[in-house]
Amino acid sequence: GQNIDQPTEMTATEGAIVQINCTYQTSGFNGLFWYQQHAGEAPTFLSYNVLDGLEEKGRFSSFLSRSKGYSYLLLKELQMKDSASYLCAVRDGGTNAGKSTFGDGTTLTVKP
Amino acid sequence: EPEVTQTPSHQVTQMGQEVILRCVPISNHLYFYWYRQILGQKVEFLVSFYNNEISEKSEIFDDQFSVERPDGSNFTLKIRSTKLEDSAMYFCASSGPPSLRYEQYFGPGTRLTVT
Repeated sequence: GQNIDQPTEMTATEGAIVQINCTYQTSGFNGLFWYQQHAGEAPTFLSYNVLDGLEEKGRFSSFLSRSKGYSYLLLKELQMKDSASYLCAVRDGGTNAGKSTFGDGTTLTVKP
Repeated sequence: EPEVTQTPSHQVTQMGQEVILRCVPISNHLYFYWYRQILGQKVEFLVSFYNNEISEKSEIFDDQFSVERPDGSNFTLKIRSTKLEDSAMYFCASSGPPSLRYEQYFGPGTRLTVT
């Protein structure tokens, strides 16, 4: 079975840093995605981690620990437009295209 | 900037009818996906497609569903004999080339309402 846990909601202040955690217990693991989804819109790809460690991309960084079944998304210098849902998804298929299992998402509200 | 497009944006159909949701992936992409999201719920994987065949499918993707890439540009999802619980937003996504196959680009979605 697949189990992905994220906090339901988080609130942070504009200009601050926020860390969104994701823990997973899955029958297979071939990488972990983070997506951003604004209300009423499609998900937007943020990152993909397959090896342990931190990957930085501008204001966003993503960390993975496969032994702990744990990842986090770090958002720096928060802006109002970062208010959105952040989705953690595990790629658990081994083929070229693969398949993914999503968490319920974390709704982040950025306040002035 | 290239983008994934989907038509129609909203489809209303009666229970038991067949619907075809259409997607035009980004032109040089090789990997194609369908997802659905029931209102207020999480995104669910339906199927992935590569090299003109299904790569992976979820438990949701049963005999009621089929996918096709009828030409070099379109990627379609057919739902036969729709049920009320098929009402959801359906997202198409594409990725590729192989070195970038994990970076999936999503279309804006088709909202399917089954009455």
